[in-house]
Amino acid sequence: GGIITQTPKFLIGQEGQKLTLKCQQNFNHDTMYWYRQDSGKGLRLIYYSITENDLQKGDLSEGYDASREKKSSFSLTVTSAQKNEMAVFLCASSPSGANYAEQFFGPGTRLTVL
Amino acid sequence: QQKVQQSPESLIVPEGGMASLNCTSSDRNVDYFWWYRQHSGKSPKMLMSIFSNGEKEEGRFTVHLNKASLHTSLHIRDSQPSDSALYLCAARGGGSGNKLIFGTGTLLSVKP
Repeated sequence: GGIITQTPKFLIGQEGQKLTLKCQQNFNHDTMYWYRQDSGKGLRLIYYSITENDLQKGDLSEGYDASREKKSSFSLTVTSAQKNEMAVFLCASSPSGANYAEQFFGPGTRLTVL
Repeated sequence: QQKVQQSPESLIVPEGGMASLNCTSSDRNVDYFWWYRQHSGKSPKMLMSIFSNGEKEEGRFTVHLNKASLHTSLHIRDSQPSDSALYLCAARGGGSGNKLIFGTGTLLSVKP
């Protein structure tokens, strides 16, 4: 088995601040994802990456940047945090080459913007 | 933009009862559906997946798929309080690799 770790677990920022969230996986999966989940709601895809140095925009990419410098890690940057923004950011990974691959999720980073 | 609609938004069933959750995609290219379960404060975990017309059963959980209508449903029999969670449906569009579109979820509460 493997594990996905996300840091930090809780992130508090100020309006306009640039904030970075990190994700590491040891599944050796090729594809990694960043989702945003607002309270009690579904997941919205922000960015995904099918291999090292690849980036693909999801439906919610505006206001975010991402970076995949190595296979095991995927970072997400909130370029300018919005006041009253509260959400959980979930990182996930899945193997490539399998058409119907399950996505495995990390524990999440909970963001609060003051 | 592809959408995945889930209904109902929330559902309360008595312990031992049957819970039925629905999910429909608006994208004719969808070829695979997943059901994920997310307990409060936890991350989503895959429950079941289906890509063929018909039914798939695993223990107390049954998933149906009608590809013509792009509709899938999840049925939980003999519901337990531990089944209380947010149930998320996800669909994969054809040619999109493993990119999934998630629905907004159904919040299930099983009352003892």
